[in-house]
Amino acid sequence: DTGVSQDPRHKITKRGQNVTFRCDPISEHNRLYWYRQTLGQGPEFLTYFQNEAQLEKSRLLSDRFSAERPKGSFSTLEIQRTEQGDSAMYLCASSLFGLVGNEQFFGPGTRLTVL
Amino acid sequence: AQSVTQPDIHITVSEGASLELRCNYSYGATPYLFWYVQSPGQGLQLLLKYFSGDTLVQGIKGFEAEFKRSQSSFNLRKPSVHWSDAAEYFCAVGARDDKIIFGKGTRLHILP
Repeated sequence: DTGVSQDPRHKITKRGQNVTFRCDPISEHNRLYWYRQTLGQGPEFLTYFQNEAQLEKSRLLSDRFSAERPKGSFSTLEIQRTEQGDSAMYLCASSLFGLVGNEQFFGPGTRLTVL
Repeated sequence: AQSVTQPDIHITVSEGASLELRCNYSYGATPYLFWYVQSPGQGLQLLLKYFSGDTLVQGIKGFEAEFKRSQSSFNLRKPSVHWSDAAEYFCAVGARDDKIIFGKGTRLHILP
């Protein structure tokens, strides 16, 4: 297994456009998390899934954001009508629920720049 | 409220010197504690974690951390830093099988 992968690694878009990011977790992991990291800050939790069920969403996740994990494997994060404030690194992590230690393995992130 | 405080935004140490990065947390339940490292252009890498048991935990790359419940602290230490340790370090807290709350990070600079 090659770990958590994210695509694309970089995305530049114009304000008002929609963007979609993909995360492929470690294959046997049933938990998948999305975080956002802005410059000079630590990652902030956005949402997470167990299998295909979205279990929690942060108040940071406005109505313009939507996340899915349709078959309990990969996940997508879509941002509609992007704003300059959406510019950040979007991180995905996965873990195996029930495993003592709850270690989350992070992907390399998708860096979004909104012009 | 659940939070993590890393009071030092930047720390500079000379290569070969010892290092201690501070971390304080506020968490209502039994915390799971983590230290992650992030190098420029790289993803987050777990250095070490504490769940229970021995309060002094050993991690990768020669790092260790000590959990002090009475002080709500989980400081990271290394006896002798290398130039390759220059990076951003994040302390984090979470519950079992739950989201992780990160501090704002401490950027470590190494003087030759």
